[in-house]
Amino acid sequence: QQPVQSPQAVILREGEDAVINCSSSKALYSVHWYRQKHGEAPVFLMILLKGGEQKGHEKISASFNEKKQQSSLYLTASQLSYSGTYFCGTAPNTGNQFYFGTGTSLTVIP
Amino acid sequence: EAGVVQSPRYKIIEKKQPVAFWCNPISGHNTLYWYRQNLGQGPELLIRYENEEAVDDSQLPKDRFSAERLKGVDSTLKIQPAELGDSAVYLCASSLLAEQFFGPGTRLTVL
Repeated sequence: QQPVQSPQAVILREGEDAVINCSSSKALYSVHWYRQKHGEAPVFLMILLKGGEQKGHEKISASFNEKKQQSSLYLTASQLSYSGTYFCGTAPNTGNQFYFGTGTSLTVIP
Repeated sequence: EAGVVQSPRYKIIEKKQPVAFWCNPISGHNTLYWYRQNLGQGPELLIRYENEEAVDDSQLPKDRFSAERLKGVDSTLKIQPAELGDSAVYLCASSLLAEQFFGPGTRLTVL
């Protein structure tokens, strides 16, 4: 039930782009994205609802393909501040459950 | 606006001892979550409250864990007795709509 993220880890140079994928075995109602820096609590980035929409947040955007039960997070022109572990969070169509994904560690170097 | 408050921030206990964590959510947030996060893993939902009602506690190990949310505001999570495998960070979050706001967490070490 826990969504699987890929890649597990990625290292980027400043200015490079990255894509993080989140895949669920269950039909989804919504997908959330959070970023967690070392030793800190997760911070909300965005939510995508059933309907296949794409959202943007400065240079970070995401898409949601409900048919494939997948979401992708796009980071463009990465900055040092983007470093951290990214988690997707999924809410299935039914019930009140919420599951965080396996996480993707992203490191941006100068 | 004050964020989610948790206490204590750190707790070290010996196995078989009881321990309790306290959470004060953001004012007006009806939904409260307790998560457990092991090192290098994503948070795992233990229990979710809508006001004072627990709407999802399917992941809560009920033989040793208990939780309550009095008057739909503050919440307490208790472990009795603690086991070595309970060492983790316990996160509390609250939400009004979908966005969850997390507290700083309580790092529990069971020796």
